[in-house]
Amino acid sequence: DGGITQSPKYLFRKEGQNVTLSCEQNLNHDAMYWYRQDPGQGLRLIYYSQIVNDFQKGDIAEGYSVSREKKESFPLTVTSAQKNPTAFYLCASSTPRQGWNSPLHFGNGTRLTVT
Amino acid sequence: RKEVEQDPGPFNVPEGATVAFNCTYSNSASQSFFWYRQDCRKEPKLLMSVYSSGNEDGRFTAQLNRASQYISLLIRDSKLSDSATYLCVVNINTGNQFYFGTGTSLTVIP
Repeated sequence: DGGITQSPKYLFRKEGQNVTLSCEQNLNHDAMYWYRQDPGQGLRLIYYSQIVNDFQKGDIAEGYSVSREKKESFPLTVTSAQKNPTAFYLCASSTPRQGWNSPLHFGNGTRLTVT
Repeated sequence: RKEVEQDPGPFNVPEGATVAFNCTYSNSASQSFFWYRQDCRKEPKLLMSVYSSGNEDGRFTAQLNRASQYISLLIRDSKLSDSATYLCVVNINTGNQFYFGTGTSLTVIP
């Protein structure tokens, strides 16, 4: 079955360490996104990518970095510069080529805890 | 001003009740509209897209009012399993960005 896979599901890190969250999709979607969700809050956009080798900052990009070397993969690195990295991270994809009403498809998320 | 605004609730309704959620959006250039359902500590899942003429999927009805810039979700005959947070999502095709409401919490009580 096609879908989006995020790994790991839970991740624990010490403060000051960089950590990379994996996101892989086999839906052949062009666009991929990273969101962050904090308890009781909505999703906030970190980075997004419309095509391979191109990505744009979202609303809260500071302290994060991404790459898009392959269509299927959009890893997110949480750097030590991110002040409050503990959160639920969601990767999503969509395919604008299917038309204006193409929804987002989400992975099952990575819950990052930094102590 | 937020791109998308929702009443956070919580909505606590008895089984079998009808409940409606509204969501307003600020950008008149918004093109696509969706309702997602999110269970506790899980990822959001697409409930339904919202079409201009309104659309229905079983007990769920979605409507769009472009003039007033809001969308709505109506749930009839609520089930215990409908308990979740419902997210309103709007797509502004420029840059293909999606904007999320903060979600409306629904609890269906036996």
